[in-house]
Amino acid sequence: DAGVIQSPRHEVTEMGQEVTLRCKPISGHNSLFWYRQTMMRGLELLIYFNNNVPIDDSGMPEDRFSAKMPNASFSTLKIQPSEPRDSAVYFCASSPGAGGLYEQYFGPGTRLTVT
Amino acid sequence: LAKTTQPISMDSYEGQEVNITCSHNNIATNDYITWYQQFPSQGPRFIIQGYKTKVTNEVASLFIPADRKSSTLSLPRVSLSDTAVYYCLVGDGTGGFKTIFGAGTRLFVKA
Repeated sequence: DAGVIQSPRHEVTEMGQEVTLRCKPISGHNSLFWYRQTMMRGLELLIYFNNNVPIDDSGMPEDRFSAKMPNASFSTLKIQPSEPRDSAVYFCASSPGAGGLYEQYFGPGTRLTVT
Repeated sequence: LAKTTQPISMDSYEGQEVNITCSHNNIATNDYITWYQQFPSQGPRFIIQGYKTKVTNEVASLFIPADRKSSTLSLPRVSLSDTAVYYCLVGDGTGGFKTIFGAGTRLFVKA
């Protein structure tokens, strides 16, 4: 298995531009998580899906952030418009079930820089 | 969600056993304890999970006392490649688990 796939691996954009991050979870996993990691705030859960349905998006910082999961093999995290404070590493993770019993498999992350 | 407290950092030498303790005084009956490891420029990786007593796998051991208010991750004979951040998570074993990663413990292994 290829593991969780994220693209792009690096993204540099200017303030005000739209940014779309992509994630392909491990086949057969029914839960998907988006995280953001910065030095100041650590690893924060933004949103998680179960069976393609958003379960909890309380971690999404603002309306500028949105996430979709149109099918079991693809998810996007969009930031529009982007701001310098959005610069961070964004991780996608998937797990074979919902709940704390299930191991989460993380992707390599997307390093976003907003200038 | 139960809050966890871990030391911010620890130093060790190659070949030593390292024990990292996590406090979770408000752990609930349904909660499991899970540890993740994160290397620089990588996503976290699952290490071990337990509910009570002791769990051991090929990477580590997890010790959980009877009151479950703390847990200890034990790494036997660490090497330089074990330098990483280690996170302790406590969460509900039922559906809807919301993952909260604390600050973690930064382990630095020296030669």
